[in-house]
Amino acid sequence: DSGVTQTPKHLITATGQRVTLRCSPRSGDLSVYWYQQSLDQGLQFLIQYYNGEERAKGNILERFSAQQFPDLHSELNLSSLELGDSALYFCASSVGSNNEQFFGPGTRLTVL
Amino acid sequence: AQTVTQSQPEMSVQEAETVTLSCTYDTSESDYYLFWYKQPPSRQMILVIRQEAYKQQNATENRFSVNFQKAAKSFSLKISDSQLGDAAMYFCAYRRTGTASKLTFGTGTRLQVTL
Repeated sequence: DSGVTQTPKHLITATGQRVTLRCSPRSGDLSVYWYQQSLDQGLQFLIQYYNGEERAKGNILERFSAQQFPDLHSELNLSSLELGDSALYFCASSVGSNNEQFFGPGTRLTVL
Repeated sequence: AQTVTQSQPEMSVQEAETVTLSCTYDTSESDYYLFWYKQPPSRQMILVIRQEAYKQQNATENRFSVNFQKAAKSFSLKISDSQLGDAAMYFCAYRRTGTASKLTFGTGTRLQVTL
């Protein structure tokens, strides 16, 4: 158990819908990262937050957005969902930007 | 941009034997980190071993060790005395130092362990 929690574990929804994935980092970790793992794109970095502020952005679609709240938990919002958004979404956290990243168990999103 | 290449989509090893997984990377940075992550069927990402680029000594963690060749930009993982529980996907990953510290992953190597 890495100490990073993600909810829900599984999510099944329809095209065009909007979903929110939630991540609680390890106690004391200020940095949160979101990654997407799909069959065709592999493991890709989406976005990083540090202490509530966006720190880095990767290949994140405009339909996707994220935020980190004052209690340091983070949410990833996916809207206008397409079949190709079906993937495993990981959250990772670290104490600072230069420290080890610990991964949560992931949320498996299925878009039908 | 940094890239990580794993040229072996699948590998197989017999229990108790040794196997080496290959990884090459491309970067113009001089200081960075390299990692091997294990992803078993549960899908959890588990850090196996890390290497700081400024350290010449190869990292070891119990049965896991790396062969880090900085000039060749090569970072292979050796698993000794393989166990059934080692069967998983293994991802090589790169991270530069500094505040923009995303992980860049390779495409993975699926390791099978046979009796």
